[in-house]
Amino acid sequence: EDQVTQSPEALRLQEGESSSLNCSYTVSGLRGLFWYRQDPGKGPEFLFTLYSAGEEKEKERLKATLTKKESFLHITAPKPEDSATYLCASMNTGFQKLVFGTGTRLLVSP
Amino acid sequence: DSGVTQTPKHLITATGQRVTLRCSPRSGDLSVYWYQQSLDQGLQFLIHYYNGEERAKGNILERFSAQQFPDLHSELNLSSLELGDSALYFCASSTRQGSNYGYTFGSGTRLTVV
Repeated sequence: EDQVTQSPEALRLQEGESSSLNCSYTVSGLRGLFWYRQDPGKGPEFLFTLYSAGEEKEKERLKATLTKKESFLHITAPKPEDSATYLCASMNTGFQKLVFGTGTRLLVSP
Repeated sequence: DSGVTQTPKHLITATGQRVTLRCSPRSGDLSVYWYQQSLDQGLQFLIHYYNGEERAKGNILERFSAQQFPDLHSELNLSSLELGDSALYFCASSTRQGSNYGYTFGSGTRLTVV
C-alpha cells in the first residue's frame, strides 16, 4: 500500500531563517508527487507536482525537489505569511488517488 | 475561491443522526473525490466518482455513502453518526480520473457530532 511520511511534524522558524521539509514516499509506480499548502480551516491549495527523480520546481520562496524515495520542500528566507501546514501527497500510476502525509505545521515568527 | 463549492460550511448534529454534505465541482471537472480530515489521521480518501459512476472506494464506513448526479454535483451521506465522525470533510475535483495538477479542493464542511 502506498505510504507518505512527512517530517518534522512541526517547525518553528524566525523570519529569514531557511529550512527544509521532508517527505518520504513508498508507492507502486509513481505518477506524481504533490505539494499542497493548507491554512487553518481551509482546503489544501496546490503548490507543485514533481514527476521524476532529479526534477525541481520553484515558486517564490519555495523550491521542491524529488529523489527516488524522498521529496524536499526548501523554504528560503521565509516570511510570517508562509506559516501554514504543508502537505505532501503521492499519486500512483494505477488508480491515481492522492495519498497524503500528515503534514508539517510551519510557524514563521517575525 | 477555488471553484469547488461545498455546503454547508459548518454542521452540528447529535449522535445517531443523518446528514448530507454537498459538493459542486469546478466547471468542466468530471471527477469528484471525498476526503475526511481528522486531527489524528490527516487527509483520508473516502470515495471517487467520475461522470456519475463510482470509480474507487477508500476507507469509507458502511454508514457513509455518496453519489454524483447528472449535473456532476456530489453528495456525501453520513448516517448513524458517532462522536468519532467529527472531522473536516473535503471535496475535490479534477478534469479527469487523474490529473497532473492533482486536485482542486473546496473549503470543506466541518462536522461536529455531539
